[in-house]
Amino acid sequence: ELKVEQNPLFLSMQEGKNYTIYCNYSTTSDRLYWYRQDPGKSLESLFVLLSNGAVKQEGRLMASLDTKARLSTLHITAAVHDLSATYFCAVDSNYKLTFGKGTLLTVNP
Amino acid sequence: DARVTQTPRHKVTEMGQEVTMRCQPILGHNTVFWYRQTMMQGLELLAYFRNRAPLDDSGMPKDRFSAEMPDATLATLKIQPSEPRDSAVYFCASGLSAGNTGELFFGEGSRLTVL
Repeated sequence: ELKVEQNPLFLSMQEGKNYTIYCNYSTTSDRLYWYRQDPGKSLESLFVLLSNGAVKQEGRLMASLDTKARLSTLHITAAVHDLSATYFCAVDSNYKLTFGKGTLLTVNP
Repeated sequence: DARVTQTPRHKVTEMGQEVTMRCQPILGHNTVFWYRQTMMQGLELLAYFRNRAPLDDSGMPKDRFSAEMPDATLATLKIQPSEPRDSAVYFCASGLSAGNTGELFFGEGSRLTVL
């Protein structure tokens, strides 16, 4: 059974600081996704990573995938308040996504 | 603007009542997923359809839950009888299978409260 672990589960950051969220998974997969969820809202797709070494960047967020280590990272650069949300990674196994528990990110002024 | 549509958005019901949630996937998508989100368990996969055929419903309590796709534009999730522990947000998501990125697009969710 595929297991997906994110850490940290809770992250409180100061504006302007950098930090990384980690996503480890237990079985072979080369397709990984990052989603964002605002309170009471749906899940919004952020990044689709489809191969080993894939790196995607959008604004202050950068995601990468190392399929050999079964690890993806979501790096936040110079955080701003608008990035406060819950971030989920999800791993594909036979076109079925298994989600991590999510990382609740709070960016403080 | 293509999107997954779910109804109802909110439902409050009493224990023992039947609840039906509906989902209209994005036109052209051939996979449909039902997820349940709670604070304790996070996002749990309940059921998964490809080309309207149920492929995996192992995450779903069989005695009270059922999921169907009567046609390509409608997926349903039914709970009968409902229990307080079913209170959660139920998300429907759709996507395209082989030959595509596998990305899923989520609806706004149906927030269920069972009293």
